[in-house]
Amino acid sequence: EVQLLESGGGLVQPGGSLRLSCAASGFSFSSYAMSWVRQAPGKGLEWVSGVSDGGGSTYYGDSLEGRLTISRDNSKNTVFLQMNNLRAEDTAVYYCAKGPGGSDEFDVWGQGTMVTVSS
Amino acid sequence: QSALTQPASVSGSPGQSITISCTGTSSDVGAYNYVSWYRQHSGKAPKLLIYGVSNRPSGVSNRFSGSKSGNTASLTISGLQAEDEADYYCSSYRSSSTLWVFGGGTKLTVL
Repeated sequence: EVQLLESGGGLVQPGGSLRLSCAASGFSFSSYAMSWVRQAPGKGLEWVSGVSDGGGSTYYGDSLEGRLTISRDNSKNTVFLQMNNLRAEDTAVYYCAKGPGGSDEFDVWGQGTMVTVSS
Repeated sequence: QSALTQPASVSGSPGQSITISCTGTSSDVGAYNYVSWYRQHSGKAPKLLIYGVSNRPSGVSNRFSGSKSGNTASLTISGLQAEDEADYYCSSYRSSSTLWVFGGGTKLTVL
């Protein structure tokens, strides 16, 4: 079964940092790009960051202004999202997603991990 | 404000058909056949329904179909069922610094 399992979310103060992890199983992890998509409470989906299959290319959404670093460890089938200088507006559920694929789709999603930025 | 525009809500009765629109620009929906649709039940992760404008992944019911005309993509759900009550999101590749964009979501109510 194809599965993505996120971890690392929690409560952090404004200005703090968090590192999210996403462990993949059930598919050839090193053959696929991976992404993070977030959803603020009661709001829609927002693509946050992506990394190529080999990890050599990384991509970030405009709204994150250089506060993110995405990486992956293909030996451990895991993708990471390092978030720094967190703000209240970064409060959201962060989903790990397999893709984008050949038609720029995200075909498998994890259950999400909640990040709350509050003092 | 979301990058792609969807109606906030639609509704229909069981057995009926509904269509959800997704309007973008010539930099995303209008430029590429890379429109996807996702369904999200309350408190759950999104699920891919349609990719490449009109393709269904294995296991997705043929009650779901997608199309595109110009800068607007559409998702049609036929034979509405109670389980279809959820939020629906469109997505597209965009030729800009933010490479993938989503619509604001449409809440489908099955009456």
